[in-house]
Amino acid sequence: RKEVEQDPGPFNVPEGATVAFNCTYSNSASQSFFWYRQDCRKEPKLLMSVYSSGNEDGRFTAQLNRASQYISLLIRDSKLSDSATYLCVVNFDAGGTSYGKLTFGQGTILTVHP
Amino acid sequence: GAVVSQHPSRVICKSGTSVKIECRSLDFQATTMFWYRQFPKQSLMLMATSNEGSKATYEQGVEKDKFLINHASLTLSTLTVTSAHPEDSSFYICSARDRGQSSYNEQFFGPGTRLTVL
Repeated sequence: RKEVEQDPGPFNVPEGATVAFNCTYSNSASQSFFWYRQDCRKEPKLLMSVYSSGNEDGRFTAQLNRASQYISLLIRDSKLSDSATYLCVVNFDAGGTSYGKLTFGQGTILTVHP
Repeated sequence: GAVVSQHPSRVICKSGTSVKIECRSLDFQATTMFWYRQFPKQSLMLMATSNEGSKATYEQGVEKDKFLINHASLTLSTLTVTSAHPEDSSFYICSARDRGQSSYNEQFFGPGTRLTVL
């Protein structure tokens, strides 16, 4: 089983649509959770951290369910510029050599069309 | 702030040669830098964790003698792919953690180096 699993998509949605991505992780001791965005042939960029209470940043809402080991990202009112690959990322810090290690999901491809 | 650069951005080399990739934190000190590799249509896979002044920690399956990492200062880490082969062709990305940052989990990524081995 992969440590972080995502539906690879692709998701093709029209502008203005609401789209949701899901992610599950296998290590119940994982401590920090993030969504990154990666554009084609570019480095990943942090979109938002994910907190247990859920958090929102403009059109983006992230949720974390520790009991189910499940993370979600909701994008409302999609824009053309939202087209990218969205990476679910988990941190498990065991100290020592595992300090700060990030584990990436394979990414979910989103295409927003006019 | 928190800018990480990589050089070169793209390199094409012949099989059997060695290639060095530099990763620099431009406006902060990074005690820890990470090296990732990304094959087409796949996600980033951590290759190794580099700590300033000490030996790198390699992930399982990554050959330390093939992928030499040096983190000689708080702003520079290098990855050398020795005796490169076509299967080493990939997108290599580094990231760095800001030593002075309160949110120690955030990593800042470099723009990546696309390596093609002929």
